[in-house]
Amino acid sequence: GENVEQHPSTLSVQEGDSAVIKCTYSDSASNYFPWYKQELGKRPQLIIDIRSNVGEKKDQRIAVTLNKTAKHFSLHITETQPEDSAVYFCAATLYNNNDMRFGAGTRLTVKP
Amino acid sequence: NAGVTQTPKFQVLKTGQSMTLQCAQDMNHNSMYWYRQDPGMGLRLIYYSASEGTTDKGEVPNGYNVSRLNKREFSLRLESAAPSQTSVYFCASSEGQNQETQYFGPGTRLLVL
Repeated sequence: GENVEQHPSTLSVQEGDSAVIKCTYSDSASNYFPWYKQELGKRPQLIIDIRSNVGEKKDQRIAVTLNKTAKHFSLHITETQPEDSAVYFCAATLYNNNDMRFGAGTRLTVKP
Repeated sequence: NAGVTQTPKFQVLKTGQSMTLQCAQDMNHNSMYWYRQDPGMGLRLIYYSASEGTTDKGEVPNGYNVSRLNKREFSLRLESAAPSQTSVYFCASSEGQNQETQYFGPGTRLLVL
């Protein structure tokens, strides 16, 4: 089955700096890559997703890039704010939500 | 809309006890899921229900059973709890099962002693 690795496990940045979280996947056929944000004690929430027919997708301060050849995708957060502090999870799936595999998560801390 | 709701929020069990975690959604979604979340391991799918009347195993189904009671409700049962089942359990739902946004419930924190 699919295996997703996520790095780094923890990331600390100063407010206003950029943050980058990277994930690699093992199954070259995977074609859907969502990112979830989980604040402390809260539920995971989808923040952005990308499909394999697209190389990059942006939504305000958040962007995701996908390199199918290298089998990796990354989350970029620009102009970080304290409210961006949370655990971020990447995931990958081939066909549907039923075989979605999640990375272990990255704890992002934005220092004011 | 309440979205996805779960009960209870927190539960302590002794080894061997049984319990049922309840989940309900009011978004008229077809697909529902049960995940467990352990430190450093992300989310792992236990069981899912692609549509009302169907259920199937996910990545880590051993020790669990599920029931899709109707379109709104999807319950997870632990017949004989073990300390290894200490975890946070999340229910989720999506409109369909094909690469669609999953909406998560608030979670149930379970401690098995």
